[in-house]
Amino acid sequence: ELKVEQNPLFLSMQEGKNYTIYCNYSTTSDRLYWYRQDPGKSLESLFVLLSNGAVKQEGRLMASLDTKARLSTLHITAAVHDLSATYFCAVDILYSGGGADGLTFGKGTHLIIQP
Amino acid sequence: NAGVTQTPKFQVLKTGQSMTLQCAQDMNHNSMYWYRQDPGMGLRLIYYSASEGTTDKGEVPNGYNVSRLNKREFSLRLESAAPSQTSVYFCASSEAWGRTEAFFGQGTRLTVV
Repeated sequence: ELKVEQNPLFLSMQEGKNYTIYCNYSTTSDRLYWYRQDPGKSLESLFVLLSNGAVKQEGRLMASLDTKARLSTLHITAAVHDLSATYFCAVDILYSGGGADGLTFGKGTHLIIQP
Repeated sequence: NAGVTQTPKFQVLKTGQSMTLQCAQDMNHNSMYWYRQDPGMGLRLIYYSASEGTTDKGEVPNGYNVSRLNKREFSLRLESAAPSQTSVYFCASSEAWGRTEAFFGQGTRLTVV
């Protein structure tokens, strides 16, 4: 059974600071996704990481994937209040023979950025 | 371009009542999914449809049924609602089964009393 663990689950930080959210998963996969969710809203796709060593950046957010370590990180640089949200990582696995089980999500990291 | 549209956005049911959640996508995607989101649990897959004409169970299928009406539409039915089904339900779609980026609808907030 695939397990996806995020940490921390809750993070309060000050504007201007840097921080990293970690996503570990239990089974070999080469595809990892990061989503953002604002309170009461849907999930918005942030990054799609498709191979070992993949790095994607968008503004103050940078995501990376290490498939050997089964680890992805979401790094926040010089945080601003607008980045306050819940961030989810999700992993999928394609089994040999073409079967799959869809995305398995972590429990989410609730991020609050204070002035 | 609407993307993934869910109806209704909010619903309150009494225990034992039935209802159907509707989902439609206009991106010509092959695969569609129903997830539920509960506090502190992330999202869990209820059912999925890898392609038109096929459906299969996800992690938490008990108490639900689905219909892939055509390529655009994928509905979720609660036959006899229970308080444990109080949740936020999200429909999603992707180009192909489990291998491409999934796009989510706005969600249905369901309360069963």
